Amino acid sequence: GDSVTQMEGPVTLSEEAFLTINCTYTATGYPSLFWYVQYPGEGLQLLLKATKADDKGSNKGFEATYRKETTSFHLEKGSVQVSDSAVYFCALSARSNYKLTFGKGTLLTVNP
Amino acid sequence: DVKVTQSSRYLVKRTGEKVFLECVQDMDHENMFWYRQDPGLGLRLIYFSYDVKMKEKGDIPEGYSVSREKKERFSLILESASTNQTSMYLCASSSGQGFGTIYFGEGSWLTVV
Repeated sequence: GDSVTQMEGPVTLSEEAFLTINCTYTATGYPSLFWYVQYPGEGLQLLLKATKADDKGSNKGFEATYRKETTSFHLEKGSVQVSDSAVYFCALSARSNYKLTFGKGTLLTVNP
Repeated sequence: DVKVTQSSRYLVKRTGEKVFLECVQDMDHENMFWYRQDPGLGLRLIYFSYDVKMKEKGDIPEGYSVSREKKERFSLILESASTNQTSMYLCASSSGQGFGTIYFGEGSWLTVV
């Protein structure tokens, strides 16, 4: 079945550091890929998405590129801020059904 | 903006009680979902519905049931709550098939004592 594997946390960085959170997936066909963010005490918010190979999703300085050849969708940000502290979830949505399959989440803490 | 509203943010229930978690969306979405979130396990799909009165089991349906009598409302029911159902429950909705963006509510923290 479909699955998502993402980098285990927690990840702790200093402000302005470079961020990478790795995400790889297994799915039949050509899924859509997503990054969701969950701030403390809140539900999940869509951060960015990509619906086909080589698409780059971007939002709030975060980027991720859909790499079909490596089945990856790594999240990057050039300079993190304290306000980026949250849990980040990689997810896929197969076109054959209606569901999102999530990774286990990566807790990011950014220190001033 | 899409709004997914969960009726209760925090609940404390006793073992054996019947528990209802309610979710309403205001964007006329066809698909609605209930997920459970636990530390170290991420989000796991309990049930989903792609139309009124339709439902499909997700990955962990045991101990839960759902109801969707109206398009905008999707209820999660714990028939007899148990302590291992203490968790964060997230409702979500989407339009279209597969590649539509899924929007989440703020979550309901359920503690079963």
